[in-house]
Amino acid sequence: QSVLTQPPSVSAAPGQKVTISCSGSSSNIGNNYVSWYQQLPGTAPKLLIYDNNKRPSGIPDRFSGSKSGTSATLGITGLQTGDEAHYYCGTWDSSLSAVVFGGGTKLTVL
Amino acid sequence: QVTLRESGPALVKPTQTLTLTCTFSGFSLSTSGMCVSWIRQPPGKALEWLARIDWDDDKYYSTSLKTRLTISKDTSKNQVVLTMTNMDPVDTATYYCARNPYSSGPEYWGQGTLVTVSS
Repeated sequence: QSVLTQPPSVSAAPGQKVTISCSGSSSNIGNNYVSWYQQLPGTAPKLLIYDNNKRPSGIPDRFSGSKSGTSATLGITGLQTGDEAHYYCGTWDSSLSAVVFGGGTKLTVL
Repeated sequence: QVTLRESGPALVKPTQTLTLTCTFSGFSLSTSGMCVSWIRQPPGKALEWLARIDWDDDKYYSTSLKTRLTISKDTSKNQVVLTMTNMDPVDTATYYCARNPYSSGPEYWGQGTLVTVSS
């Protein structure tokens, strides 16, 4: 079981919006920066969001991140079939002195 | 441009020791705040963090694997090495290295290297 909790799966139609939640505690999300990753089949994870809500260069503004207390949320608008992937949240846990990840969420674009 | 590349054996036998090397460019591990992590992913499963080494040589390990892991760095070669002892078939996974800012999750990732543990 992962330290951070994500829903196993979400789905939405093309063009729609979806949100993926990531729940943690004060030792991780509550006091550290959250990152989000997209993993397409057979590829390495790719950074989508860092420092809770910042997008690296080249990541479209359809992807957004937010944090409130001990939870974080990834939002994706204007869904495309190419967005079908696994999405992971991650951060540092100050009590464990470890990087922690969520169990991953599989996004299906119907 | 930040790049990382993992290298090591594709196949190891049970009980053997695995040694993986991460060779990176585009940053220096002697710069304050820089860290490199190792993460693995068994086929069809989630990401699992293994270890992190910091610019000041602080080291952190997964609690569940701590007794089997050693992480080290060679700043002059821009390399980070991970060793894992007593390999078992359940350790079969793709192993990634990644640049990891302090107090955050990894950012830049290598392409990963698949390690199969089998006799």
